[in-house]
Amino acid sequence: DAGVTQSPTHLIKTRGQHVTLRCSPISGHKSVSWYQQVLGQGPQFIFQYYEKEERGRGNFPDRFSARQFPNYSSELNVNALLLGDSALYLCASSRQGEAKNIQYFGAGTRLSVL
Amino acid sequence: AQSVTQLGSHVSVSEGALVLLRCNYSSSVPPYLFWYVQYPNQGLQLLLKYTTGATLVKGINGFEAEFKKSETSFHLTKPSAHMSDAAEYFCAAPGDAGNMLTFGGGTRLMVKP
Repeated sequence: DAGVTQSPTHLIKTRGQHVTLRCSPISGHKSVSWYQQVLGQGPQFIFQYYEKEERGRGNFPDRFSARQFPNYSSELNVNALLLGDSALYLCASSRQGEAKNIQYFGAGTRLSVL
Repeated sequence: AQSVTQLGSHVSVSEGALVLLRCNYSSSVPPYLFWYVQYPNQGLQLLLKYTTGATLVKGINGFEAEFKKSETSFHLTKPSAHMSDAAEYFCAAPGDAGNMLTFGGGTRLMVKP
């Protein structure tokens, strides 16, 4: 079975632009979470979606938004990009949306903001 | 809210030596704890998961971790390091909402020949 897939793998944007990152979960998984990993740090939670509803939101500004589609894939949108948004963005999927469920991570999208 | 602290951002061991990566959690006893590994240019891969009742947890690639409530610790060990173990290791605990994870800052393991 395919794992969590993310696209694109790399992206270069300039300040003020908008970006959309995409994630396809493992087949049968209904929960998708997004994390931001700045170089040299651990991942920081951004959003969780389960059955197309937002279940949790981390401490990120409103420039960050996400949604989950009927096929459980997900998009992360970031508006008005800042230099500080440069990071590896990780998507994780799990069967359900509970703490006991193991999250499986994709390889990430590396975003560079110039 | 749960927080996770990993002592030592970099650990260097010789091939064949014991690996010990430290993780401490705060707040209430978590129902679950996780160790993930991240190889260069890859996502995170689950090494092992602690669930209530089993204090010694065995994971993949010969790693294991012991949950010690009295020390609020969940340290990761491996008896004999291999070159292929060189990677970044993250300890994680459940956060406040849904299945969000709170990660430690990570420990980069370097293995010398």
